Amino acid sequence: ETGVTQSPTHLIKTRGQQVTLRCSSQSGHNTVSWYQQALGQGPQFIFQYYREEENGRGNFPPRFSGLQFPNYSSELNVNALELDDSALYLCASSRELAGGAGTQYFGPGTRLTVL
Amino acid sequence: ILNVEQSPQSLHVQEGDSTNFTCSFPSSNFYALHWYRWETAKSPEALFVMTLNGDEKKKGRISATLNTKEGYSYLYIKGSQPEDSATYLCAFYPGGTSYGKLTFGQGTILTVHP
Repeated sequence: ETGVTQSPTHLIKTRGQQVTLRCSSQSGHNTVSWYQQALGQGPQFIFQYYREEENGRGNFPPRFSGLQFPNYSSELNVNALELDDSALYLCASSRELAGGAGTQYFGPGTRLTVL
Repeated sequence: ILNVEQSPQSLHVQEGDSTNFTCSFPSSNFYALHWYRWETAKSPEALFVMTLNGDEKKKGRISATLNTKEGYSYLYIKGSQPEDSATYLCAFYPGGTSYGKLTFGQGTILTVHP
């Protein structure tokens, strides 16, 4: 089994710009969740996708959006970047609709810096 | 808003010491509690998923217990080694329509000195 991968590793954007982060799920996993980890905090749930549909959302504004593709890779898009969007963004895949007893397998994250 | 607290925030121990830390979570509407280990520059690694009150899980020198009635879980490391140095995260899942939304604590940073 290949693990969860994310790209890019790091990127720097300026306020107001748009960014797309990518995630490749572990083989056989049809569910992906995205998390934001700000400095000094635990990861915070952004949203989850199951079979290409958004299936739950955390307390994030609509300028955070996502896509899941038929091969179960996914994207996180953030529009109109703000300074507070600077964080580590993690994706996690799981084998089934991630009820709470399903292990989520995390990627290494993308570090976004907004200047 | 769910409150998941971990203590201590950081911990320094000597190689060979045993250590433990705590995750506190809401005791109502419990479904599952996850533990992850996160080494610097790597992906968070799943350690345990615990669902039943009184659950005890073990993986090598690491073990965890769960008390859902009082809302806490302990993670124990026996005979700590430098390679155990990492951030240990717990994550709570309340079930219902939470759709995989794990609520994480802020983590306990463990440093094991040779």
